[in-house]
Amino acid sequence: GNSVTQMEGPVTLSEEAFLTINCTYTATGYPSLFWYVQYPGEGLQLLLKATKADDKGSNKGFEATYRKETTSFHLEKGSVQVSDSAVYFCALSALIQGAQKLVFGQGTRLTINP
Amino acid sequence: NAGVTQTPKFRVLKTGQSMTLLCAQDMNHEYMYWYRQDPGMGLRLIHYSVGEGTTAKGEVPDGYNVSRLKKQNFLLGLESAAPSQTSVYFCAISGGLVSYEQYFGPGTRLTVT
Repeated sequence: GNSVTQMEGPVTLSEEAFLTINCTYTATGYPSLFWYVQYPGEGLQLLLKATKADDKGSNKGFEATYRKETTSFHLEKGSVQVSDSAVYFCALSALIQGAQKLVFGQGTRLTINP
Repeated sequence: NAGVTQTPKFRVLKTGQSMTLLCAQDMNHEYMYWYRQDPGMGLRLIHYSVGEGTTAKGEVPDGYNVSRLKKQNFLLGLESAAPSQTSVYFCAISGGLVSYEQYFGPGTRLTVT
């Protein structure tokens, strides 16, 4: 089947720290992979994506590389800011019962302290 | 949020009451989805639609009905609300087989007392 596992939170870091949020997946076929971010009181926003093995998605200083050999898509940022405090969701896109759907991880709450 | 709007933003219902949530898009996307988000449960798919006039059940469809009479609108109905349906509801759209990423609306916070 299709599933996504992300590191449990909450994660608390100081400003300018290095961030890694782990994400691994199981899938039949070759899914596209995504990271979404949800700021308090808002909907999910697409942060970055990768559509094939070894692709690197990047946006707003965040990066993630599609690693087929380790079935992983870890999110990284070199220097976090207070404004990065949010919930982060890893997701894969799969064809399920004839329709394209997203399968989400449980989300990781990130808090950045000044 | 990429041209996806949801109405209303907040609602409080009493057990047994009914209501309809509206999702509207201006992106001309084929696929539309309804999710619910509960603490510790992530997002769960309620119903979805792959085009005008079509609907299908997702992971947690019980207690909900949907309709997609027009391509740009996707309605989620609760016929007889229960406290277990207290949640935040999100609508999303995508290009389906053309483009896999989904774009989300701002959400509707529903409380059933």
